[in-house]
Amino acid sequence: GAGVSQTPSNKVTEKGKYVELRCDPISGHTALYWYRQSLGQGPEFLIYFQGTGAADDSGLPNDRFFAVRPEGSVSTLKIQRTERGDSAVYLCASSLGRVNTGELFFGEGSRLTVL
Amino acid sequence: GENVEQHPSTLSVQEGDSAVIKCTYSDSASNYFPWYKQELGKGPQLIIDIRSNVGEKKDQRIAVTLNKTAKHFSLHITETQPEDSAVYFCAARGPSGYALNFGKGTSLLVTP
Repeated sequence: GAGVSQTPSNKVTEKGKYVELRCDPISGHTALYWYRQSLGQGPEFLIYFQGTGAADDSGLPNDRFFAVRPEGSVSTLKIQRTERGDSAVYLCASSLGRVNTGELFFGEGSRLTVL
Repeated sequence: GENVEQHPSTLSVQEGDSAVIKCTYSDSASNYFPWYKQELGKGPQLIIDIRSNVGEKKDQRIAVTLNKTAKHFSLHITETQPEDSAVYFCAARGPSGYALNFGKGTSLLVTP
């Protein structure tokens, strides 16, 4: 079956612009995660959804970042007034969602470059 | 929050040799420790994991050991092959039961 799908794979934007990154998780996975990976670093947790609700958004760096998952499947990460420091690969992962179990399945990421 | 330290940051071995990557974690309540392999331009992929009630787990050429007292765990790859070349990440999951905290990664190069 299909894995986690992320679009776009690459996005180049100018400082100050608005960006949306989309994640389509594995069918049937109720848990969805967004991570950010800077060059040479490990993935950094941003936000976790269980179903439609954001169960933990403690990793979002500031109020320019927001994510939604309105129907409990596809999620969109939204970044307002982008800054050069936002440049990174944004990874989405999904899992079956059972607490304390479950492998995270990652997509290939969306590479964001802010000029 | 949980802090995961990983070393070395780079590791170069000859084909057929063994490779060992070590991680430490800070939260003694962490109970799940996966290892992910990331190839260039791809997302991380789980290669092996271990839970806190087990001290060692092996899957063919890959093994993971966990020392809960010392709060460290290690990845062992035997008989390395060029296709093992990638970046490897350790991670720990705390009692919340969902979010993984990752180390900074080890870039492994296996030379023929």
